[in-house]
Amino acid sequence: GQNIDQPTEMTATEGAIVQINCTYQTSGFNGLFWYQQHAGEAPTFLSYNVLDGLEEKGRFSSFLSRSKGYSYLLLKELQMKDSASYLCAVVDSNYQLIWGAGTKLIIKP
Amino acid sequence: GAVVSQHPSWVICKSGTSVKIECRSLDFQATTMFWYRQFPKQSLMLMATSNEGSKATYEQGVEKDKFLINHASLTLSTLTVTSAHPEDSSFYICSARGSSSHNEQFFGPGTRLTVL
Repeated sequence: GQNIDQPTEMTATEGAIVQINCTYQTSGFNGLFWYQQHAGEAPTFLSYNVLDGLEEKGRFSSFLSRSKGYSYLLLKELQMKDSASYLCAVVDSNYQLIWGAGTKLIIKP
Repeated sequence: GAVVSQHPSWVICKSGTSVKIECRSLDFQATTMFWYRQFPKQSLMLMATSNEGSKATYEQGVEKDKFLINHASLTLSTLTVTSAHPEDSSFYICSARGSSSHNEQFFGPGTRLTVL
């Protein structure tokens, strides 16, 4: 079966750095997305990785290792507004998005 | 980036009535549209995938006769919840994918449905 694993909840301090991990087992791989979702709102796109390595975009970076079936989202200089759920999603061989359950990130002052 | 709109943003209806939700891609042609449902504190659950001009593909456990999906054009898909019941109350989100978006799905803002 297809499976995406990410922690259910994480807590971090304002101004700090947090890494949210995602491991996957899917039938084929055509890329991995990270989305941010605030409560009561639709997900918004953060990053897309299809090749191994680190993609940096401002305070957010995303890393992929296809051989390990592993990705992480790194958030730096955390702000209170970063409190949200972070969803990992993998595109499988049929070009369907397989979603993780999301990681709820709580930022404390 | 690509913009997807949904209408209405929220709707309250009586049990037994039908509700139609529209999803539009405003600045691109959406060859594929997806409908998701999200219950409080849970992840997105894919309900169905629709390609323009063809019948929707429903996920296991989703009743096709209850959740009618129409994708008649490259910019519009509709989801009709027929004979809605309180357990259908949820956050319904559509997303759209164009032919040149390297698989990215662009999400609408969602529709919150409350069935009394």
